[in-house]
Amino acid sequence: ILNVEQSPQSLHVQEGDSTNFTCSFPSSNFYALHWYRWETAKSPEALFVMTLNGDEKKKGRISATLNTKEGYSYLYIKGSQPEDSATYLCAPFTGGGNKLTFGTGTQLKVEL
Amino acid sequence: GAGVSQTPSNKVTEKGKYVELRCDPISGHTALYWYRQSLGQGPEFLIYFQGTGAADDSGLPNDRFFAVRPEGSVSTLKIQRTERGDSAVYLCASSDGTSGSTDTQYFGPGTRLTVL
Repeated sequence: ILNVEQSPQSLHVQEGDSTNFTCSFPSSNFYALHWYRWETAKSPEALFVMTLNGDEKKKGRISATLNTKEGYSYLYIKGSQPEDSATYLCAPFTGGGNKLTFGTGTQLKVEL
Repeated sequence: GAGVSQTPSNKVTEKGKYVELRCDPISGHTALYWYRQSLGQGPEFLIYFQGTGAADDSGLPNDRFFAVRPEGSVSTLKIQRTERGDSAVYLCASSDGTSGSTDTQYFGPGTRLTVL
């Protein structure tokens, strides 16, 4: 069973704050890492797919970095807004089929 | 274009009953996945279809769970003799199946199953 850990489990920030969360995964047999955002009552939305060590991806105010040698990825949100409130899930792909193995997520709440 | 749709959005049933959950993938996507999210957990893989065939059903918890995709499009997840522990959000996703590990899986909104 693949061990994927996300921290913190939950986070409350004020509007305008910048924040970041961590996804840790086994570094062996690594192929790709997927990040998703899941807002309540909506479908999980794909944010990034990352494959290369040192990779950095950006989408608006959200960015992510990847370290495949030590097995972690950081997700950053700059200037958090209430619409960023969601659960952020990471899922490494380590072969052995096409399934994603998700972490338990970081639940972000951005308050006015 | 239309995304992945799932019906029903909510299902309440009694212990021991049979339920069917439906997934309509994005048109043209050959790969289809079912996941289950229990309270406090991340989505957990159940089964993956490539076309009409189940390429990986290693995540199905026991033989009460079965899924089909007879024409390579719509899929139905079937649960027999439901138990309270089956209560969860059942998510379906589809992808174009061409990029392996970097295939983006597009998710539906899920079906929330409650077994009383």
